[in-house]
Amino acid sequence: QVQLVQSGAEVKQPGASVRVSCKTSRNSFIDFYIHWVRQAPGQGLEWLGRIIPKSGVTIYAEKFRGRVTMTSDSSITTSYMDLSRLTSEDAAVYYCAKDGGRHDLDSWGRGTLVTVSS
Amino acid sequence: QSALTQPVSVSGSPGQSITISCTGTSSDVGGFNLVSWYQQHPVKAPKLILLQVNTRPSGISGRFSGSKSGNTASLTISGLQAEDEADYYCCSYSSSDTWVFGGGTKLTVL
Repeated sequence: QVQLVQSGAEVKQPGASVRVSCKTSRNSFIDFYIHWVRQAPGQGLEWLGRIIPKSGVTIYAEKFRGRVTMTSDSSITTSYMDLSRLTSEDAAVYYCAKDGGRHDLDSWGRGTLVTVSS
Repeated sequence: QSALTQPVSVSGSPGQSITISCTGTSSDVGGFNLVSWYQQHPVKAPKLILLQVNTRPSGISGRFSGSKSGNTASLTISGLQAEDEADYYCCSYSSSDTWVFGGGTKLTVL
């Protein structure tokens, strides 16, 4: 089972930006997509976008375009999700997940809690 | 992209079967056999239980099965067990090369 290790919890002020990282094993990093999904308290899952780490090609959910940026660093097999202009509605657990190759999210990180508070 | 529609909650007694529906459009659920299902226990990360409508990953019980008709996919859990009590989410690939989740269904085992 592939492990995805995410960065720790963050507390940000409204209007700030947050970066969440996701480190994967080398083989998985090269071959598959990495998705980012969030879950607000008591709410459902919401897809933010995905990146192909090998090429850096991204696609974002329409709701987050202009505010989210996904990048990757192959030298350390780590993907990043940056979200800017934070509001209270962005407070959530952010997950990275590996695509299993059949448009399924087959391995998930443990999640990173992002709190937005002044 | 609107979320896929799932019932908010379903319930069943141990040993019974339940079905959770997931309704989308011809641009997502109806357009591709790329619906996946996830189980999420409280304060845990989601876990993949079905992919490509009805394929079980290794290690997933045969009690979980899936189907699709038109723009609606379904997850059936047979022989309900207490450990099945969790939230369940469907997810579909869509024509805009994006993914969309359902709103989630809370399963209660009575």
